[in-house]
Amino acid sequence: GENVEQHPSTLSVQEGDSAVIKCTYSDSASNYFPWYKQELGKRPQLIIDIRSNVGEKKDQRIAVTLNKTAKHFSLHITETQPEDSAVYFCAANSGGGADGLTFGKGTHLIIQP
Amino acid sequence: GAGVSQSPRYKVAKRGQDVALRCDPISGHVSLFWYQQALGQGPEFLTYFQNEAQLDKSGLPSDRFFAERPEGSVSTLKIQRTQQEDSAVYLCASSPQRGNSPLHFGNGTRLTVT
Repeated sequence: GENVEQHPSTLSVQEGDSAVIKCTYSDSASNYFPWYKQELGKRPQLIIDIRSNVGEKKDQRIAVTLNKTAKHFSLHITETQPEDSAVYFCAANSGGGADGLTFGKGTHLIIQP
Repeated sequence: GAGVSQSPRYKVAKRGQDVALRCDPISGHVSLFWYQQALGQGPEFLTYFQNEAQLDKSGLPSDRFFAERPEGSVSTLKIQRTQQEDSAVYLCASSPQRGNSPLHFGNGTRLTVT
């Protein structure tokens, strides 16, 4: 089955700086890669996703890049703000038409004022 | 519009008790998923329904776990003879179509087994 590795587990950046979170996946058949943001005690919320037919996608301060050859994808947040503090999860679908997402273990992003 | 609704929000059970967790997906969503999230970890896949059909239950950790969605809408996750290792947040998610589409999560049920 799919295996998703995520790092770092904790990331502390100064407000206004950029943050980068990286993930790798194992199943070359995976073709859908979402990122979720989860605040303490709340539900995971989709912030951006990318499919394997594109290499990069951007939405305001958030961007995701995908390298299919190396089987890794990254989340980039620019001009970080206090409200960006949360746990971020990457995920990959299991490929082969399967429907479940496999999640990474999460990155706790801390924005220092 | 209404999102995915889960109840109860919190559940405390004594070891050995049975529990039932409910999920109301977004109206019209075909796909429904259950995930288990341990403290400080990412969600782990339990089972998947397409309408009323349970197409994948490979993530259910033991035969004490059972899920159903008899009319293709509301789903119930049942855990029999709860154990301490079952303590976790149980998340339900739905999506409007099968496969490769964004999941909308509920707030989860936090289960504590004492």
